[in-house]
Amino acid sequence: KAGVTQTPRYLIKTRGQQVTLSCSPISGHRSVSWYQQTPGQGLQFLFEYFSETQRNKGNFPGRFSGRQFSNSRSEMNVSTLELGDSALYLCASSFWGDTQYFGPGTRLTVL
Amino acid sequence: SQQGEEDPQALSIQEGENATMNCSYKTSINNLQWYRQNSGRGLVHLILIRSNEREKHSGRLRVTLDTSKKSSSLLITASRAADTASYFCAPYQAGTALIFGKGTTLSVSS
Repeated sequence: KAGVTQTPRYLIKTRGQQVTLSCSPISGHRSVSWYQQTPGQGLQFLFEYFSETQRNKGNFPGRFSGRQFSNSRSEMNVSTLELGDSALYLCASSFWGDTQYFGPGTRLTVL
Repeated sequence: SQQGEEDPQALSIQEGENATMNCSYKTSINNLQWYRQNSGRGLVHLILIRSNEREKHSGRLRVTLDTSKKSSSLLITASRAADTASYFCAPYQAGTALIFGKGTTLSVSS
């Protein structure tokens, strides 16, 4: 089985721009979770989608949003980028929501 | 959702030694999981222990769970340089998100 894939792997944006990251889960997995990892804050949970519905949400501002499509692929969007949004964004998929299988991440740099 | 708290924050050992890291959590769980992360990469699931299990083994890994104390420990035996990584525990309740703490950074030197 193919693993979780994330695109793009690296991204450079400037403040004020918006960005969309994509995640393709393992075939058959219905849950996709997104995490932000920074040196200062560690690994923080953004949101989880299960069968196209947002099931859990972390404590992030509304600039961070996501969605899941009928084929379980997921996207997350960050609008009006800030310098502090520079981070490694990790996507993980799961069948039920417990054991997570992580992708390699997207490294976002905001200048 | 709840996050686990790993202890110690950092651990340095020599190759061949055992590494033990601990995890505490606050409320009841269905299972507890341990993950490893090599620098700048995605996390890798290591082992899952259910709430009705006390101990579980997988290769050089041994995990214990004490639900009365709300704690778990991960033992890596005969550590290798390749075990150098950050280790995270994640207590899980069905239907909630999997939340990670700050982890334990393990350095194994040869």
